[in-house]
Amino acid sequence: QKEVEQNSGPLSVPEGAIASLNCTYSDRGSQSFFWYRQYSGKSPELIMSIYSNGDKEDGRFTAQLNKASQYVSLLIRDSQPSDSATYLCAETRYSGAGSYQLTFGKGTKLSVIP
Amino acid sequence: EPEVTQTPSHQVTQMGQEVILRCVPISNHLYFYWYRQILGQKVEFLVSFYNNEISEKSEIFDDQFSVERPDGSNFTLKIRSTKLEDSAMYFCASSGRRTEAFFGQGTRLTVV
Repeated sequence: QKEVEQNSGPLSVPEGAIASLNCTYSDRGSQSFFWYRQYSGKSPELIMSIYSNGDKEDGRFTAQLNKASQYVSLLIRDSQPSDSATYLCAETRYSGAGSYQLTFGKGTKLSVIP
Repeated sequence: EPEVTQTPSHQVTQMGQEVILRCVPISNHLYFYWYRQILGQKVEFLVSFYNNEISEKSEIFDDQFSVERPDGSNFTLKIRSTKLEDSAMYFCASSGRRTEAFFGQGTRLTVV
């Protein structure tokens, strides 16, 4: 049974600070990793994807992957109140049958305090 | 920007009735998915669809569920004989050659 674990939070950070979100996964065969943002009552919105070890930066977001430790993280710099949402970590690998099924964690709720 | 669209946004149905949830995936995408999220719980995979057939399904996707791509653009999820525990948000997603999946805005299904 593949598992993706996240601290459910809530994680509270002041506006302008760095928010650090963490995720671990159980399947060593996982190939691709994603961070989705989900506002309450809305659908998951893809914000970052990462496929190889190291850091990947996109604007205020940096994703970090360490496959040896089975660990993925997301850093949000200069956090804004609009970043307040639940952040979902997800992983996938190709099933060989035409599917890139995503396995999601429960999400970390982030609250950015003005 | 291309997006996945779902209809209806909210569906209320009586227990035992059949519902059809509709999705229009992003036009050049190859892989199509249905996920669901029960209130307060995590997003769960239901089924994936590729090359006009089911490619993978979860334990949740039992005989009461079926999917179809009837006309090359729409992608539907049918739930026969709905149960109270089917109440959830149902998300359609699609992906292209990359593994990044994009989600529709969801259909909130309420079974009463």
